[in-house]
Amino acid sequence: QVQLRESGPGLVKPSETLSLTCSVSGGSISDYSWTWIRQPPGKALEWIGYIYYSGTTNYNPSLKSRVTISVDTSKNQFSLKLSSVTAADTAVYYCARQASSGYPDFWGQGTQVTVSS
Amino acid sequence: DIQMTQSPSTLSASVGDRVTITCRASQSISDWLAWYQQKPGKAPNLLIYRASTLETGVPSRFSGSGSGTEFTLTISSLQPDDFATYYCQQYYSYYTFGQGTKLEIK
Repeated sequence: QVQLRESGPGLVKPSETLSLTCSVSGGSISDYSWTWIRQPPGKALEWIGYIYYSGTTNYNPSLKSRVTISVDTSKNQFSLKLSSVTAADTAVYYCARQASSGYPDFWGQGTQVTVSS
Repeated sequence: DIQMTQSPSTLSASVGDRVTITCRASQSISDWLAWYQQKPGKAPNLLIYRASTLETGVPSRFSGSGSGTEFTLTISSLQPDDFATYYCQQYYSYYTFGQGTKLEIK
């Protein structure tokens, strides 16, 4: 069964770039599309963006100018970069696999990222 | 953008009760809707996709229905493990999640 695990700094300074990696095991990253979703404290889930197996990306319009999602097939990983962060970007960040029909089916455990000086 | 609105925001119920959560889309999404259960400190867990298809391993007391703009998640007989927050999500056009429904013990 596929497993996903997020990794990256838990603390990022305002105006800097948040960088996270999702490591995928139990399957090839080339066989599916992959997504990032976040959840601010006490709030609902917010979609950040996804990358298709073809390498094409789609981003949430509200974050599009600051987001980059990429894939490293040699490492079976995909990554998120979010630039110019503010306190509003403080959240638990989840990576997930996108099922062939389009919904996220397997999720990582999530990683807390706090934006603070 | 497609907006998803869940109701109620909070629901108090007892073990054994039948409960229903509603999710409305701001435009038609056909049946491209999923439901998730989330417990504190945990990732969401997929319950239902394509509005009414039960994910493998999910108990049959969970069911989903609807199409177009109105959808429901029903739990036929609440069990202690079901007290959690539930989210709907459309995947017709990108992704949008509802604001969540917290199911509490009465």
